[in-house]
Amino acid sequence: KAGVTQTPRYLIKTRGQQVTLSCSPISGHRSVSWYQQTPGQGLQFLFEYFSETQRNKGNFPGRFSGRQFSNSRSEMNVSTLELGDSALYLCASSLKGAGLLMNTEAFFGQGTRLTVV
Amino acid sequence: AQRVTQPEKLLSVFKGAPVELKCNYSYSGSPELFWYVQYSRQRLQLLLRHISRESIKGFTADLNKGETSFHLKKPFAQEEDSAMYYCALGPGYNKLIFGAGTRLAVHP
Repeated sequence: KAGVTQTPRYLIKTRGQQVTLSCSPISGHRSVSWYQQTPGQGLQFLFEYFSETQRNKGNFPGRFSGRQFSNSRSEMNVSTLELGDSALYLCASSLKGAGLLMNTEAFFGQGTRLTVV
Repeated sequence: AQRVTQPEKLLSVFKGAPVELKCNYSYSGSPELFWYVQYSRQRLQLLLRHISRESIKGFTADLNKGETSFHLKKPFAQEEDSAMYYCALGPGYNKLIFGAGTRLAVHP
């Protein structure tokens, strides 16, 4: 079974530009979460989607957005890039749409390393 | 506040020595707690979760609600255990709040 696939693996963008990252979950997984990993802040939750609905959002500015398609693939978009957005962006998929106060096992992708210059 | 604290950035031990990676959490409800591991050049993956009470690769972790801790333990470290370990809190809807991580280095 193929794992979570994130594309592209590496990206270099200029300040002020926007970027779209893609995540293909494991087949059959309907929940997709996104995380930002930086040396200073560690792993931080961005948002989670289940059945095309955003159910949970982290503490990030509105420049960070995402969506999920009917085939469960997800994209995240960052507009008006800032130098501080340079990070490894990880996507994770889960089989079930866990409810309130529940989590199911998250399977992570390799990540997309975004560098903003 | 929902927070996970891993006080040690690096834990260095010799092969065969016991290992304890510390994790403390702050959460007002009933926590779901996890340990995730990242071996060199591999993806982040689940090691164990408190509700399953399993022992994976010789590692165990007990949830102590009184001390709000979920320390990861292994009686005899192996070189292949060298990796980055993250403690995580799951408040629901597949959201994970991660600690800063502890790098475990097991020396021969």
